[in-house]
Amino acid sequence: GDSVTQMEGPVTLSEEAFLTINCTYTATGYPSLFWYVQYPGEGLQLLLKATKADDKGSNKGFEATYRKETTSFHLEKGSVQVSDSAVYFCAEGGSEKLVFGKGTKLTVNP
Amino acid sequence: GAGVSQSPSNKVTEKGKDVELRCDPISGHTALYWYRQSLGQGLEFLIYFQGNSAPDKSGLPSDRFSAERTGGSVSTLTIQRTQQEDSAVYLCASRAPANTDTQYFGPGTRLTVL
Repeated sequence: GDSVTQMEGPVTLSEEAFLTINCTYTATGYPSLFWYVQYPGEGLQLLLKATKADDKGSNKGFEATYRKETTSFHLEKGSVQVSDSAVYFCAEGGSEKLVFGKGTKLTVNP
Repeated sequence: GAGVSQSPSNKVTEKGKDVELRCDPISGHTALYWYRQSLGQGLEFLIYFQGNSAPDKSGLPSDRFSAERTGGSVSTLTIQRTQQEDSAVYLCASRAPANTDTQYFGPGTRLTVL
């Protein structure tokens, strides 16, 4: 079946550092791609999405580009903040279900 | 409310007991999903409803798990004869009809089976 692989954490960065979390997927066709974030003690929130090849999703300074040729959707942020500390999940899917990666825990230190 | 709500937020039960978990989707959302989040398995899909029917229930782990949806709104996930491996956070999500594939998640129900 379809699967999503994202870099294992935990990831620890200093404030203002550059962040990359890698994500690749195996689904054929053109699934939509998502990044969800789970802040401590909170539920899953949609961070950004892209629905077709070469689309770039962006939100709160985070970006990810849908790369069909490499089946990837890497998450990036130029300057992380302490408030970005959370678990990040990459997911692929359409209208019927989402397939998630195992999550990457990010800790940002002041 | 404006978002997906789930109840109870926490449930502790003894092995062998039955439990019911409830999900109230966002008003007007026709699609509803159940997922399970556990330490070892990450986030797993359980079942998908479109209206009151479930075209995909392929993620239900065993016949001890069942779910229903009534009135195109509230859904209940039932686990019979709970086992310790059922301990997890059960998440519900809903999606608006047509032209969108974004799912909105509830806060989850944390189930602990002793």
